[in-house]
Amino acid sequence: NAGVTQTPKFQVLKTGQSMTLQCAQDMNHEYMSWYRQDPGMGLRLIHYSVGAGITDQGEVPNGYNVSRSTTEDFPLRLLSAAPSQTSVYFCASRTGFFSADTQYFGPGTRLTVL
Amino acid sequence: AQKITQTQPGMFVQEKEAVTLDCTYDTSDQSYGLFWYKQPSSGEMIFLIYQGSYDEQNATEGRYSLNFQKARKSANLVISASQLGDSAMYFCAMRGTSDSNYQLIWGAGTKLIIKP
Repeated sequence: NAGVTQTPKFQVLKTGQSMTLQCAQDMNHEYMSWYRQDPGMGLRLIHYSVGAGITDQGEVPNGYNVSRSTTEDFPLRLLSAAPSQTSVYFCASRTGFFSADTQYFGPGTRLTVL
Repeated sequence: AQKITQTQPGMFVQEKEAVTLDCTYDTSDQSYGLFWYKQPSSGEMIFLIYQGSYDEQNATEGRYSLNFQKARKSANLVISASQLGDSAMYFCAMRGTSDSNYQLIWGAGTKLIIKP
């Protein structure tokens, strides 16, 4: 059982480059999210999806796009990388929409934008 | 607006002592859930414990317990008999029900260092 997987683990980009962070889960979870974690701060929600074909913006969506064509995959696209996007990115999934539902996290992607 | 506050940026604790990590929250929701996650230096986020707002008893999971004081809006994590492997960042998070998509709100975290 792989849980939530993310690739790549590390990435260095130059300003203006674009790239896609991959996220996949094998738990058949409907709900998936992307967070970024900056030093001294908790996780901040970028985008989320409540099912295939349905996505919505979180707290800090600017500069990022997402799509959800399947239940398993939820890629995050950086359109034109900026140094302010240097961060650790976490993908997460959970079973449903109730307060008690536990969220499962991927191992994270450490992104540096020069 | 919902908010989570963790007032301890860092803590040093002697091995085998008990540790209390503070978490206060602000919400107008009647029904909500409180979570604690551990993030070791390797970076992954590990779920530790959950407390529902209507749960009458404090949650416990092995050496972890949650000291839930609803009137004071606090949800402190207690780690009994600390171990060197407990050294990590600890995050408190809340999920309410006023947001129809039940987003998690996160605190800034507490860095716990266990001294041998």
